[in-house]
Amino acid sequence: KAGVTQTPRYLIKTRGQQVTLSCSPISGHRSVSWYQQTPGQGLQFLFEYFSETQRNKGNFPGRFSGRQFSNSRSEMNVSTLELGDSALYLCASSFRQGAGTEAFFGQGTRLTVV
Amino acid sequence: AQSVTQLGSHVSVSEGALVLLRCNYSSSVPPYLFWYVQYPNQGLQLLLKYTSAATLVKGINGFEAEFKKSETSFHLTKPSAHMSDAAEYFCAVSDSGANSKLTFGKGITLSVRP
Repeated sequence: KAGVTQTPRYLIKTRGQQVTLSCSPISGHRSVSWYQQTPGQGLQFLFEYFSETQRNKGNFPGRFSGRQFSNSRSEMNVSTLELGDSALYLCASSFRQGAGTEAFFGQGTRLTVV
Repeated sequence: AQSVTQLGSHVSVSEGALVLLRCNYSSSVPPYLFWYVQYPNQGLQLLLKYTSAATLVKGINGFEAEFKKSETSFHLTKPSAHMSDAAEYFCAVSDSGANSKLTFGKGITLSVRP
């Protein structure tokens, strides 16, 4: 069974640009969550999607958005990039939604903003 | 809100020595607790999960963790360290209710000396 696939693996963008990251969950998984990992702030929850609906959102500005498609694939978008957005963005998929659900992570997309 | 605390940022052990990585949780309800491992330039891999079925949880790669309610702890151990165990380890707690959000500790880097 294929794992969680994130594309691209690496990205370099300029301040002010926007970026879209993609995540394909494990087959049969319907919940997708996104996390930002930085050396200073660690792992922080961005948002969770289940059945194409955002179910939960972390404490990030509105420049961070996402969506989920009918095949459970998800994208996240960051507009008006800032230097501080440089991070590893991790996607996690789960079979179901809810507390205690095991989350399986992709390898991440390393975003560098210059 | 639930949270986890991982004291210290770096642990160094000799190959063959006991590995002990500490995690304390704060939760107003019985928590779901997880340990994840992250190798360089990789995503997170689930080591083990506590769901109240048993206080001693066995995971992959010879790791185990014991849930101690009286100490609000969920420390990760491995009897004999291997060079391949060198990585960053994260303790996480699952949010309650219908969403799958994970709140992570700051992580501990494990070094293994030959």
